[in-house]
Amino acid sequence: GAVVSQHPSRVICKSGTSVKIECRSLDFQATTMFWYRQFPKQSLMLMATSNEGSKATYEQGVEKDKFLINHASLTLSTLTVTSAHPEDSSFYICSAIRLAGPYEQYFGPGTRLTVT
Amino acid sequence: GDSVTQMEGPVTLSEEAFLTINCTYTATGYPSLFWYVQYPGEGLQLLLKATKADDKGSNKGFEATYRKETTSFHLEKGSVQVSDSAVYFCALQLDNDMRFGAGTRLTVKP
Repeated sequence: GAVVSQHPSRVICKSGTSVKIECRSLDFQATTMFWYRQFPKQSLMLMATSNEGSKATYEQGVEKDKFLINHASLTLSTLTVTSAHPEDSSFYICSAIRLAGPYEQYFGPGTRLTVT
Repeated sequence: GDSVTQMEGPVTLSEEAFLTINCTYTATGYPSLFWYVQYPGEGLQLLLKATKADDKGSNKGFEATYRKETTSFHLEKGSVQVSDSAVYFCALQLDNDMRFGAGTRLTVKP
């Protein structure tokens, strides 16, 4: 158990458009989901923490209006990159923590976003 | 704040060589410690973990022991394979807060 999926796995969009990335916990309910960004050959950078039914908590330096996070249910969180620019191109990874514990993060396979 | 420092790569080894990737941490409490592996183009997969001092995590021939006295969680494998080529991340978790090391790229040559 504890499978997290992301959709799409890869997306290419034009500059100025918006892109939505979904993160789903397939076989468990997730009280908390996290969104990370990974630059080439670098570690993961936490962008925001989202709890079901409440506003996401963004890390310092992450633009809330740029990266919209919605945690609509205990199995789904979405990240929308608004008015995307080439510098938003990156690998986005989500993770989730089981509602019932233990407090271990289960990671999704990642979404490669390329903005042209 | 809490942080993880791991050995910088890249690391290149021949098949069947011994592997050590060093990881040390700084934490205000008693974190859980993890090693994750990332294959090209994929997300992170949990390799092993330890939740308290002196615990040893092991999986697929990899091992790491939670050393509180040296605040370390070094990853070891006695005989690496070409298929072990990947990026390895050391991480700590305290409550819901997870911190990652910079990652170490391992390349194993036949």
